[in-house]
Amino acid sequence: SQQGEEDPQALSIQEGENATMNCSYKTSINNLQWYRQNSGRGLVHLILIRSNEREKHSGRLRVTLDTSKKSSSLLITASRAADTASYFCATDARETSGSRLTFGEGTQLTVNP
Amino acid sequence: NAGVMQNPRHLVRRRGQEARLRCSPMKGHSHVYWYRQLPEEGLKFMVYLQKENIIDESGMPKERFSAEFPKEGPSILRIQQVVRGDSAAYFCASSPAIQGVTRGYTFGSGTRLTVV
Repeated sequence: SQQGEEDPQALSIQEGENATMNCSYKTSINNLQWYRQNSGRGLVHLILIRSNEREKHSGRLRVTLDTSKKSSSLLITASRAADTASYFCATDARETSGSRLTFGEGTQLTVNP
Repeated sequence: NAGVMQNPRHLVRRRGQEARLRCSPMKGHSHVYWYRQLPEEGLKFMVYLQKENIIDESGMPKERFSAEFPKEGPSILRIQQVVRGDSAAYFCASSPAIQGVTRGYTFGSGTRLTVV
């Protein structure tokens, strides 16, 4: 079964609004990571949250992790048109620690100017 | 300090031909990971290599696909006798060690393979 499933699949907001994306996973993890991908480009690492952490901030990004619910959320505050991209969560599972990431299908975020 | 370099950026092959995708990890990185991304989907793990060793190839198709990371030179993902279903973006990531616990991975810009 698929790990790291994001919702919504697509999100369209106005510049200045906040964007929230959610991710669910199925197995025990060491950490959960969020990546951004601009159309036709590679992935850029945004933030990593360890399994013993509940919340982490980086600039306009805020990530939460609830290991009891096996879910995470990514909040982008005061969004900009340049934030338009696909956002993926990826889990580093305990049983395969460090050897691979399991990615979700992604959320396509569109920020309208 | 150049990032993870992949080439070519775009590759077009006819059915039945061979495709060779190259990945040069970041300087000082000895671990390489290959992922495949089908259109409108997330990345799927293919293989994890260290210098001269395949550590985990559980995501590789059983036939036609192979990967290597020689002592010298880039990592190569090789697809023999390509079929239309191989059309995808192939991404490489590198790390200095098993560091999934401590930091994220650095990805290359990918090779977009189109089989015609």
